[in-house]
Amino acid sequence: QSALTQPPSASGSPGQSVTISCTGTTSDVGGYIYVSWYQQHPGKAPKLMIYEVTKRPSGVPDRFSGSKSGNTASLTVSGLQAEDEADYYCGSYAGSNNYVFGTGTKVTVL
Amino acid sequence: QVQLVESGGGVVQPGRSLRLSCAASGFTFSNFDMHWVRQAPGKGLEWVTLISYDGTNKYYADSVKGRFTISRDNSKNTLYLQMNSLRVEDTAVYFCARSPQFDYWGQGTQVIVSS
Repeated sequence: QSALTQPPSASGSPGQSVTISCTGTTSDVGGYIYVSWYQQHPGKAPKLMIYEVTKRPSGVPDRFSGSKSGNTASLTVSGLQAEDEADYYCGSYAGSNNYVFGTGTKVTVL
Repeated sequence: QVQLVESGGGVVQPGRSLRLSCAASGFTFSNFDMHWVRQAPGKGLEWVTLISYDGTNKYYADSVKGRFTISRDNSKNTLYLQMNSLRVEDTAVYFCARSPQFDYWGQGTQVIVSS
């Protein structure tokens, strides 16, 4: 199972929006609603930000939103804040009780 | 509150074994499937293995199949990962995470495989 493809980096100024893509195949991202996004600060554990493509866990700001079109999922962070600077990973169910994560995107707040 | 605490990591020679533990609290452990996920130094996340809530069903990534074994003791609220025939490429921080959404993660335990 190959890792999902994400851009290595993305950036934006405070208050702006940034969108991160996550490209897979019909066997993972395109085939299931079970696409999630995780935020990871250096030296910390990942934190769930979005699940089932568009849902936000309790406590996650509504500045974070998810979507999917075909084999590509996207995470948009609106109203960028300094604390949003982190690595972001997508993840997807890949069938037959297998899971796959994305290559990761480093978001920089300029 | 939900807490997952991994332990058991360390430095081990190639070919040797190591057992990781993940102590769970703050939720009904026996109701949830559980995952192990690893992250090699400077790299992304890699799903390793999944165990069903009752320990009946286990699934593995191809990279560890036949070498790693996941298990759990619901009476002790603890998840395990037995890692045999370790390779240099198994060097990583190992996280346990709650299924199905990977909604809670432990802080991770570092495994270094080196001669």
